Amino acid sequence: EDKVVQSPLSLVVHEGDTVTLNCSYEVTNFRSLLWYKQEKKAPTFLFMLTSSGIEKKSGRLSSILDKKELFSILNITATQTGDSAVYLCAVEARTSGTYKYIFGTGTRLKVLA
Amino acid sequence: GAVVSQHPSRVICKSGTSVKIECRSLDFQATTMFWYRQFPKKSLMLMATSNEGSKATYEQGVEKDKFLINHASLTLSTLTVTSAHPEDSSFYICSAGSAYEQYFGPGTRLTVT
Repeated sequence: EDKVVQSPLSLVVHEGDTVTLNCSYEVTNFRSLLWYKQEKKAPTFLFMLTSSGIEKKSGRLSSILDKKELFSILNITATQTGDSAVYLCAVEARTSGTYKYIFGTGTRLKVLA
Repeated sequence: GAVVSQHPSRVICKSGTSVKIECRSLDFQATTMFWYRQFPKKSLMLMATSNEGSKATYEQGVEKDKFLINHASLTLSTLTVTSAHPEDSSFYICSAGSAYEQYFGPGTRLTVT
């Protein structure tokens, strides 16, 4: 059964701290891994990763994928209160011309001022 | 950028009635759309994959006769919750996009009284 597991489930830090969020997966026919940030409504896209070892970076956020060990991390440096959200990891699996996305449990991050 | 809309954003209905939720891709054609359900403080659970011009593919445990999906055109998919019950109350989100990125609709909060 396809599975995506995120850790930790929740995290409380202070502004300025650096956090690392983890996502591991067991998925048949892996195609890509995506990170999303979800605040009050629908998730917003952060990164898509398809190749191992290539870091993607956007401001204070960065992410990398390890396809051998089947995991990805999302780093947030110099955290701000606006980073408080649920961070979702999703894996795209492709089978016979169709594809779908399996979401992890999410990590709830709270950044205190 | 690409936008996906959902209507209505919020609906309250009585137990036993049916509710239709629309998902539209506004500036691109989507042969595939996805329907998710999200419980409070939980991750997105894929319900079904909606394919234009053909039957939807439902995930295990999702009742296809209860959650009717119709993808009649390249820009519109509908989810109808039939004979709704209080346990169907949830946040329903659709997504559409390409192999590179999934765009999420803003979600529909369904409350069944």
